[in-house]
Amino acid sequence: GAGVSQSPRYKVAKRGQDVALRCDPISGHVSLFWYQQALGQGPEFLTYFQNEAQLDKSGLPSDRFFAERPEGSVSTLKIQRTQQEDSAVYLCASSPGLAGGLRTDTQYFGPGTRLTVL
Amino acid sequence: AQSVSQHNHHVILSEAASLELGCNYSYGGTVNLFWYVQYPGQHLQLLLKYFSGDPLVKGIKGFEAEFIKSKFSFNLRKPSVQWSDTAEYFCAVNAYAGKSTFGDGTTLTVKP
Repeated sequence: GAGVSQSPRYKVAKRGQDVALRCDPISGHVSLFWYQQALGQGPEFLTYFQNEAQLDKSGLPSDRFFAERPEGSVSTLKIQRTQQEDSAVYLCASSPGLAGGLRTDTQYFGPGTRLTVL
Repeated sequence: AQSVSQHNHHVILSEAASLELGCNYSYGGTVNLFWYVQYPGQHLQLLLKYFSGDPLVKGIKGFEAEFIKSKFSFNLRKPSVQWSDTAEYFCAVNAYAGKSTFGDGTTLTVKP
């Protein structure tokens, strides 16, 4: 596809449910990032992958959050036992090069998944 | 830890007015700096970026930004705004591998 796609676009979950959010990056992009954006705030880094390797997961807020990218392409962000404070837009971004050193490629963002936890 | 501060939460201008949005970051070392824009109903997209070299960076749609290292600032400017510039603008800094830190954004409303 031409850009980063995410599904579902909207997700409503009852508190305690597990959810899985999917990201399809631009074909061939090496790096993939997940961000959480709460209402009225900027995106907050969650984790990033270089191919299938998860190189930084320091932004994941708790052990209920888990991300994977098993084949170095599609990625899934899973949230277990959702809580109301998990309500946010979850953004995925990809970039063509390696996210290493001091030079970072432009990140191309998807439309996000808006998660509402009731 | 790196942080980004955007001073203006909401800016309202009339068409043809000049724009300057403030962005300050806290990090003592070398950084990469970005401005992203999100038009209503659209994805975040890159407006301009600074890696090194000339501190005055030109981006799309007539936007420019100036990196002033001594002030830890990367302010966004446009001499004459248009109604179509109505959007939310985010400043971001990347100081080490992978992790970018974003400001909380500035909503710009341009009145026709």
